[in-house]
Amino acid sequence: DAGVIQSPRHEVTEMGQEVTLRCKPISGHNSLFWYRQTMMRGLELLIYFNNNVPIDDSGMPEDRFSAKMPNASFSTLKIQPSEPRDSAVYFCASSPRAGAGNEQFFGPGTRLTVL
Amino acid sequence: AQRVTQPEKLLSVFKGAPVELKCNYSYSGSPELFWYVQYSRQRLQLLLRHISRESIKGFTADLNKGETSFHLKKPFAQEEDSAMYYCALSSNQAGTALIFGKGTTLSVSS
Repeated sequence: DAGVIQSPRHEVTEMGQEVTLRCKPISGHNSLFWYRQTMMRGLELLIYFNNNVPIDDSGMPEDRFSAKMPNASFSTLKIQPSEPRDSAVYFCASSPRAGAGNEQFFGPGTRLTVL
Repeated sequence: AQRVTQPEKLLSVFKGAPVELKCNYSYSGSPELFWYVQYSRQRLQLLLRHISRESIKGFTADLNKGETSFHLKKPFAQEEDSAMYYCALSSNQAGTALIFGKGTTLSVSS
């Protein structure tokens, strides 16, 4: 198993453009998480899904951010329009089941730079 | 409110010195505590969890409910321990997410 797969690994875009980040969780995992990592704020949970259903999106910073999980093997995080302050590393993680002491497995991250 | 606090952004030690990465938490129920580590150019990965009561790569962490702490310790630091360390908290109930601290960068030099 290749683990959690994220694409692209690096994204450079200009302010105002739409950005779509993609994630493929580990097969059989029922929970998927999106995080944002910055120097100032550390690792922040943006949203997570259980069985493809969004459970908590309170960490999504603004309406410019949206996330979908159309099926158990794919999720997207979209930023529209993007702004320079969105520059960060975005991680996707999956877990057999959220909570209850279960380990989360992280992808390699997408480094986003918004100029 | 649920919160994880790692007071040190950077901890620098010499090889062979003891290491203690501090973590304090705020949680009203029965938490599950974890330490995750991110080595340079590698994925964030689980280092240890308090329910396992195990030592991984020489690291241990004891949950102190009275002090609401879960400090990570190692008696003799190695250069390969240099990494970013995150303390995280989860409810023991299914369906809840992890709450991470802001992380501590450990730098071990010879």
